[in-house]
Amino acid sequence: EAQVTQNPRYLITVTGKKLTVTCSQNMNHEYMSWYRQDPGLGLRQIYYSMNVEVTDKGDVPEGYKVSRKEKRNFPLILESPSPNQTSLYFCASRTLGSPPYQPQHFGDGTRLSIL
Amino acid sequence: GENVEQHPSTLSVQEGDSAVIKCTYSDSASNYFPWYKQELGKRPQLIIDIRSNVGEKKDQRIAVTLNKTAKHFSLHITETQPEDSAVYFCAATRRETSGSRLTFGEGTQLTVNP
Repeated sequence: EAQVTQNPRYLITVTGKKLTVTCSQNMNHEYMSWYRQDPGLGLRQIYYSMNVEVTDKGDVPEGYKVSRKEKRNFPLILESPSPNQTSLYFCASRTLGSPPYQPQHFGDGTRLSIL
Repeated sequence: GENVEQHPSTLSVQEGDSAVIKCTYSDSASNYFPWYKQELGKRPQLIIDIRSNVGEKKDQRIAVTLNKTAKHFSLHITETQPEDSAVYFCAATRRETSGSRLTFGEGTQLTVNP
């Protein structure tokens, strides 16, 4: 089954304690991205990656890091989490190339609470 | 960069009525406009999309229209049902480039009352 898998689904942690949210897709997609979703603000892109070892900032990259060492994985790293990073996070992937307008597939989301 | 505005933020209709959600975009180079539906506690799922070379697209009770000149596009749901209740997001993006990315509207909470 084609899917984007995020872990963990829920996490409550404290300020300053480094955490990583994993994302893995089994569709051989080149493009992967991370979004955060906050009430009234929609989905805002944090980082994206066009391929292995190619990453770029989205609209709200501050306080986050990513890496793309393998095509299937795109972890999101919060090195020193703060309460304003409490949010619902989605990983997404899609293919690139021809045809160019491929839809994104989203993971099930990770709800982070930072106290 | 692209900016997408979505209206209304909340919409309540009676079952069987039509619902219309509107979005405007700023980047005239944007040429792909998907719509996502997100049910409570679930991930966004694509329901319909339209390319800039098409003015209208329909899929059963759902249709999307695009006005490139005015830079706005709309989602139309006819004969609404309670299961249509969800948050709907519009989005816009330009053709694949090294900086290509999808920009989302703020979302519309649609409630269909039985």
